[in-house]
Formats: sequence, C-alpha cells, structure tokens
Amino acid sequence: GESVGLHLPTLSVQEGDNSIINCAYSNSASDYFIWYKQESGKGPQFIIDIRSNMDKRQGQRVTVLLNKTVKHLSLQIAATQPGDSAVYFCAGPWGAAGNKLTFGGGTRVLVKP
Amino acid sequence: EAGVAQSPRYKIIEKRQSVAFWCNPISGHATLYWYQQILGQGPKLLIQFQNNGVVDDSQLPKDRFSAERLKGVDSTLKIQPAKLEDSAVYLCASSLGRGARGEQPQHFGDGTRLSIL
Repeated sequence: GESVGLHLPTLSVQEGDNSIINCAYSNSASDYFIWYKQESGKGPQFIIDIRSNMDKRQGQRVTVLLNKTVKHLSLQIAATQPGDSAVYFCAGPWGAAGNKLTFGGGTRVLVKP
Repeated sequence: EAGVAQSPRYKIIEKRQSVAFWCNPISGHATLYWYQQILGQGPKLLIQFQNNGVVDDSQLPKDRFSAERLKGVDSTLKIQPAKLEDSAVYLCASSLGRGARGEQPQHFGDGTRLSIL
C-alpha cells in the first residue's frame, strides 16, 4: 500500500490461473487509485484506474476491486500469461496536497509455465 | 506516438563524481516528472515541472541534485557529488496536464540505471 516496504512480496502463479494482487491504503479520503505494471528494465506502465465512487472496474483480462470500508484494493488478472510476469504497483494522489503520484511497495508476479 | 526518451540507459560512476541524465518527453506534454526508484521500492517523485517552471521539488535533495527544463521540453537531472545511496533507477515521466488524478495519465520512460561504486 502507501507504506514503502523493504521486501518485495512475490506471487507465484501457474500459467492460465487467475492472479490476485492486493494493496492497502491508509487515507480514507483517497479517491483515486491506479495500478501500474513494471517489467524488468522498463518504466511503469498504466494498467487500469478506479475512482472511489466505484467498487469495481474491468479492463481487458484485469479487474480492480475497491473496498473503501477496509481501505483495500485488489487487481485481478484472469488467465495469467507469461507476459504478465512483472512487478505491480498500486498508486494514487496520496501526497499531502493530493496532486503527487505516490506508489505503494509493489508485488512481483512470477508466472510458471 | 513516440514515448518518453531517456539517456543514458546505464551509468556507472564512483562516489563523489558527477552525473547527468537527459529526458525528452512526449511531444506536447506540458508536465514532466523525475522519479527515483530504489531497488525493491516504488518510484518516488523528485521534481515536477509545468512547462519550464518547477511545481514541486519538495523531495529533491537540493544539496546535491539539480534539474532544469529551460525551454519547457527536454530536461536534465544532475547529481553532484554522487553518494552510494544514490544508486537507483531514475525515471522520467510526462503528462499533458499537471494532475495526478487520472485526467492526464503519466507516461514513463524506461529510466537510467545508476550504479555508484
């Protein structure tokens, strides 16, 4: 989530299975959330976003779920493919002024063939 | 459209030396950002420009880091002198507008990986 971790959690998933990546945030006033994918040696790539007036948003093979009650969001990847192997970050305008993009600590997804 | 271009891709220097990174944003993007990404962490904003003016440099270590965007297009980030803890990937991003609220998403370059010996 918003805290920066020294360790990068890793999710190992079998090719074809679904992946679920979690993110917790602390500011109940947070109203916008983004998921980024970062492949090795590349910059972060926008995947999907969601605003706080929604609980769920779907994209191509990805779904983001937002639970404002427990301040938690998740990214679900359907039928995970080898190309999904990357580090996934949640992010949002969580800075004091609300206009600075702040990244969470990231989760590494490893897809096993 | 062409993406955000950064150079060099890799740089190795000794501590106390100087280094500079260059970024060319997506054409027409008014806002440019420099991020530092330490291994195993998410990117952290160092400085944000709107055209050629600084919007936010609150997390830039100004005793050793400097950045400029003189003509409102390309930008350079400099470290002088470098310390061991500056080893990181330096990412440049750009967006049409200055917000972080999705109206104008940020597009990232592939970064410069800096190693300090």
